[in-house]
Amino acid sequence: AQRVTQPEKLLSVFKGAPVELKCNYSYSGSPELFWYVQYSRQRLQLLLRHISRESIKGFTADLNKGETSFHLKKPFAQEEDSAMYYCALSAGTASKLTFGTGTRLQVTL
Amino acid sequence: DTAVSQTPKYLVTQMGNDKSIKCEQNLGHDTMYWYKQDSKKFLKIMFSYNNKELIINETVPNRFSPKSPDKAHLNLHINSLELGDSAVYFCASRHTGDNSPLHFGNGTRLTVT
Repeated sequence: AQRVTQPEKLLSVFKGAPVELKCNYSYSGSPELFWYVQYSRQRLQLLLRHISRESIKGFTADLNKGETSFHLKKPFAQEEDSAMYYCALSAGTASKLTFGTGTRLQVTL
Repeated sequence: DTAVSQTPKYLVTQMGNDKSIKCEQNLGHDTMYWYKQDSKKFLKIMFSYNNKELIINETVPNRFSPKSPDKAHLNLHINSLELGDSAVYFCASRHTGDNSPLHFGNGTRLTVT
């Protein structure tokens, strides 16, 4: 069975500080990993996916198969980064996207 | 606008009532989903339809019945509403087969009193 774990419910950082949102997964095959973001009162939207290996809004995430992790990082947090972040896994031919429980990122001045 | 749209945005109703939430996508996707986001912001899949066929049905009470008249629509009907059904319900869609990302609707906040 596939599972996604986000150990932190809340992560509070100061503006300009580095951010790392943790995500670990369990799946026996080759997963596809995503990060979704939900800003206050807005819809969930895709932030980035591991297959694209891109940086979106300064965020990056590297798939580490050895540690089964897909942590989300940003070197300098901005106020507008405050949101709920969900790590998600899509596996094989199944259509199900499994989400972690989410981490609320709070960036303060 | 190309999007996933769901109505209504807010729904307040009493226990025991029956209500429906509608979802439509014009993205040409072949798979649609319903997710439930509870008060702790935990997001859990409820159903998935691929080309009008049910392919995922998680352990959801049978008071919840999805209906897909065509692959662009996936409606959610809930019978005999209970307090615990209060949540935000998100519709989503995607192309299958290539692990493409989900596109979400804005959510429907259901409050059962």
